[in-house]
Amino acid sequence: GIQVEQSPPDLILQEGANSTLRCNFSDSVNNLQWFHQNPWGQLINLFYIPSGTKQNGRLSATTVATERYSLLYISSSQTTDSGVYFCAVGGGDYKLSFGAGTTVTVRA
Amino acid sequence: DAGVIQSPRHEVTEMGQEVTLRCKPISGHDYLFWYRQTMMRGLELLIYFNNNVPIDDSGMPEDRFSAKMPNASFSTLKIQPSEPRDSAVYFCASSLAWGGQPQHFGDGTRLSIL
Repeated sequence: GIQVEQSPPDLILQEGANSTLRCNFSDSVNNLQWFHQNPWGQLINLFYIPSGTKQNGRLSATTVATERYSLLYISSSQTTDSGVYFCAVGGGDYKLSFGAGTTVTVRA
Repeated sequence: DAGVIQSPRHEVTEMGQEVTLRCKPISGHDYLFWYRQTMMRGLELLIYFNNNVPIDDSGMPEDRFSAKMPNASFSTLKIQPSEPRDSAVYFCASSLAWGGQPQHFGDGTRLSIL
């Protein structure tokens, strides 16, 4: 299957800071999604973004499919942004492969 | 609209027992997925259904695992007999269309096999 690498593995932020999370993948994709797993374990879909750029409030994402990477931007971070952010990709068979995640801790 | 509903939220049982996890997808969604999350292996797709039909079960770890979807609003994942290595969080997710729509996850079932 498609290999997914996320970086950095851990990120500690002060409230109000901006950050960028990266997702590299090993092959062409038809499906790319970003998820946030909150401290209670819930997985929330943030973006479906196989290509292009999308924004939702303080979060935005960009996928450059030809270069096989996607970026998730968090602006003006809040403590509620803490948790693990997963990138998941799907190729020709559309099955999603998840990265290991980036653990984000936002300190007040 | 209600999200994906899973039950139970927590299950603790002894090895050898049968375990049944339940999922109600979002109404109108065509696809249903079962995932497993462990510290060692992360999030793994076990099986998915399209219009109640199992499409790909290549992620099911072994014959002790089985999944059914008798109708559009209900699916089960069964483990028989259960083993301690099956301990994990099991998620169910659904989507409107394969590949072109986001997947929405339930809150998961935390399973502990003693």
